[in-house]
Amino acid sequence: GAGVSQSPSNKVTEKGKDVELRCDPISGHTALYWYRQSLGQGLEFLIYFQGNSAPDKSGLPSDRFSAERTGGSVSTLTIQRTQQEDSAVYLCASSSQTGLGELFFGEGSRLTVL
Amino acid sequence: QKEVEQNSGPLSVPEGAIASLNCTYSDRGSQSFFWYRQYSGKSPELIMFIYSNGDKEDGRFTAQLNKASQYVSLLIRDSQPSDSATYLCAVIAGGYNKLIFGAGTRLAVHP
Repeated sequence: GAGVSQSPSNKVTEKGKDVELRCDPISGHTALYWYRQSLGQGLEFLIYFQGNSAPDKSGLPSDRFSAERTGGSVSTLTIQRTQQEDSAVYLCASSSQTGLGELFFGEGSRLTVL
Repeated sequence: QKEVEQNSGPLSVPEGAIASLNCTYSDRGSQSFFWYRQYSGKSPELIMFIYSNGDKEDGRFTAQLNKASQYVSLLIRDSQPSDSATYLCAVIAGGYNKLIFGAGTRLAVHP
């Protein structure tokens, strides 16, 4: 696609439910990143994929968070048993192999846990 | 110590002035440095990147890097109200090309 696409754009869920957030990166981009941004805060690194592999999962806040990437393309971030502190905007970004660090961001998925 | 540190601001400058935004980083082995701009309610967008010590200019923007001091800065000349945004410094840290962001500095350019 022309840009990074994320869905859903907004998600309201009840505490304890599971949610899945999807990211479709720019075609051909090998690197894919997930970040979390709480209101008025900076970007918190969650996980980074190079191809289908995640060499660095150190940012995942707890074992309730997991992510996968298939076919070197679409990625899914799953949050199990959501808590109110999970409420944030989840941003996905991708970059080419030669442009590491030059990220193109999606519009984000705003998660609200009631 | 945070990996990337920025003054949260707000930094308020008059229209036409030079805005100076600063960033320090902790990983001495970092080689790549980036400045992103984020308008309120929007996603970040890349403004500039710099890999070598010294200055790099692009239009009204100049990035400055001093690896010995672990310091990166962004200068915006002839600041415009449309430059009002949060500016995020980012550094590739660690062995896996992990891009770490600072908390951002909010810039307000007033007419």
